[in-house]
Amino acid sequence: DAGVIQSPRHEVTEMGQEVTLRCKPISGHDYLFWYRQTMMRGLELLIYFNNNVPIDDSGMPEDRFSAKMPNASFSTLKIQPSEPRDSAVYFCASSLGSGFRGTYGYTFGSGTRLTVV
Amino acid sequence: RKEVEQDPGPFNVPEGATVAFNCTYSNSASQSFFWYRQDCRKEPKLLMSVYSSGNEDGRFTAQLNRASQYISLLIRDSKLSDSATYLCVVNLNTGGFKTIFGAGTRLFVKA
Repeated sequence: DAGVIQSPRHEVTEMGQEVTLRCKPISGHDYLFWYRQTMMRGLELLIYFNNNVPIDDSGMPEDRFSAKMPNASFSTLKIQPSEPRDSAVYFCASSLGSGFRGTYGYTFGSGTRLTVV
Repeated sequence: RKEVEQDPGPFNVPEGATVAFNCTYSNSASQSFFWYRQDCRKEPKLLMSVYSSGNEDGRFTAQLNRASQYISLLIRDSKLSDSATYLCVVNLNTGGFKTIFGAGTRLFVKA
């Protein structure tokens, strides 16, 4: 399995521009998560999907952020308009969910390093 | 108080040393526990799950103490390649996925 695939790896954009981050989860994983990581705030959950349905988007900073999962193999996170404070590493992760011993761990993608200037 | 607390370190140890990290969590509804490893400028990777009975994977041993609400990670015979940040992760039993990542403990293993 190729793991969780994210694109692009790096994105540099000007303030006010639209940014779209992409993620392909591991086949068979029912859960998909979008995280943001900064030095100051660590890893923050933005939103997660179960079977392509958004379950909890309480971590999405504001209306400028939106996420979709049109099918089981693809998700996007969009920022429009982008601001310098959005600069961070954005990770996508997927998981099988829960088993008899509790929840399964996550597999993270390599991340997208976003810089908004 | 943070939901998951870790000593940020850094821990500086020589090769071959044994090093232990602790992590405390505040929510008694916590259900599942993990240790992740994150290398510099890389994604977090699952190191091991942590069970009440304790578990071992080679040089790594994880323990869970539900009464005191802490988990631990022991690394024996440290290697240079063990240098990384170790993240303590707790999943709450809320009917959904509420997973809390600790801020991490940095480990440097030196020759």
